[in-house]
Amino acid sequence: DQQVKQNSPSLSVQEGRISILNCDYTNSMFDYFLWYKKYPAEGPTFLISISSIKDKNEDGRFTVFLNKSAKHLSLHIVPSQPGDSAVYFCAASAIQGGSQGNLIFGKGTKLSVKP
Amino acid sequence: ETGVTQSPTHLIKTRGQQVTLRCSSQSGHNTVSWYQQALGQGPQFIFQYYREEENGRGNFPPRFSGLQFPNYSSELNVNALELDDSALYLCASSEPGTRLYEQYFGPGTRLTVT
Repeated sequence: DQQVKQNSPSLSVQEGRISILNCDYTNSMFDYFLWYKKYPAEGPTFLISISSIKDKNEDGRFTVFLNKSAKHLSLHIVPSQPGDSAVYFCAASAIQGGSQGNLIFGKGTKLSVKP
Repeated sequence: ETGVTQSPTHLIKTRGQQVTLRCSSQSGHNTVSWYQQALGQGPQFIFQYYREEENGRGNFPPRFSGLQFPNYSSELNVNALELDDSALYLCASSEPGTRLYEQYFGPGTRLTVT
């Protein structure tokens, strides 16, 4: 059973517009969430993270929102750029559960930003 | 600062054989994790090494084993290869403290089992 779900395999957005990538999770023990970006032939690159004690974290064009009651998080990219085209993975970890470093990943969403 | 490196880049093995994959962690990182990414899936945690000892393991059979060396580099060994072991194997390193969960990944080793 998937504990981290990214239900949209792909997303296409026009350059300059907002990209919203969604992620749902089932394990209430998760207390730290991360987004990774992956280009072909490269390993995933850490993008942004959020602790479960927060509901928003912002870093430049990237903002992650966490809704604990809904077990849902989203990544907003504003404005989107063609260089943002990649596969985005949502990941979660249960720090307090002792599984430090054991990241549970979703299947990824392929974002295409069109010029 | 050198990032995470992995070798080899690609590998083709026959079912039943054994394979060793290698990883050099990013400078200053003493924790190494290994992940398996099957086609169309997200990375799946295999195990983690900290100070040369296994520090957590995912749902993988014992034929998946690892080592970490004093310089924090690491090996992943897989015995009795099966066709389903064909995947991208990712190594990730992290530093102790609050950034432990922000792991830095290598480019991976693509293993094909025929």
